[in-house]
Amino acid sequence: EPEVTQTPSHQVTQMGQEVILRCVPISNHLYFYWYRQILGQKVEFLVSFYNNEISEKSEIFDDQFSVERPDGSNFTLKIRSTKLEDSAMYFCATLGALGAHEQFFGPGTRLTVL
Amino acid sequence: AQSVAQPEDQVNVAEGNPLTVKCTYSVSGNPYLFWYVQYPNRGLQFLLKYITGDNLVKGSYGFEAEFNKSQTSFHLKKPSALVSDSALYFCAVRDNWGTDKLIFGTGTRLQVFP
Repeated sequence: EPEVTQTPSHQVTQMGQEVILRCVPISNHLYFYWYRQILGQKVEFLVSFYNNEISEKSEIFDDQFSVERPDGSNFTLKIRSTKLEDSAMYFCATLGALGAHEQFFGPGTRLTVL
Repeated sequence: AQSVAQPEDQVNVAEGNPLTVKCTYSVSGNPYLFWYVQYPNRGLQFLLKYITGDNLVKGSYGFEAEFNKSQTSFHLKKPSALVSDSALYFCAVRDNWGTDKLIFGTGTRLQVFP
């Protein structure tokens, strides 16, 4: 069964450093999402991406965040200058073609900012 | 604004007993409702969804959920709990006004005791 994969599984970085989290979506899916889950809290939407552009972003997704599909397969989330409060689990999710309903989630990347 | 509430932080049940994990929702328009499960250090796994049709929907691992429009609820149920069902369960509603992002509840930790 096809699945969403994410790398790395765990990233430790110093405050102020840039990080790039990577996701490989299910191959024929068209809609891509990033969510995050701060430890012990609920899963929160960050951004959605379709047709090579951001279609919606939350208030969390400020100028420090960016997303792209650099090679048509990988879907990346970049945090330019990490803050302590960026420490969280980041999940990539994908949705198939029009008419599909359930999103498929990757295993997540745990980001720890020191 | 669309939202989901999971009133119980934790549900404890003995193995073999029926279980219920509660979820209520608030949406504009028709609700598209989902249950996801998260095992320790894992991503979110899709369990089941309600889009339209029968109010009782069946999903993976013997779980089912009952959609009740008058009570705006979508409770997750299983007739006979297993210890291996112990996990974190999230109810979610699709945002009908944006890009189909999911809005999650705060999660309910299910603990099944042998």
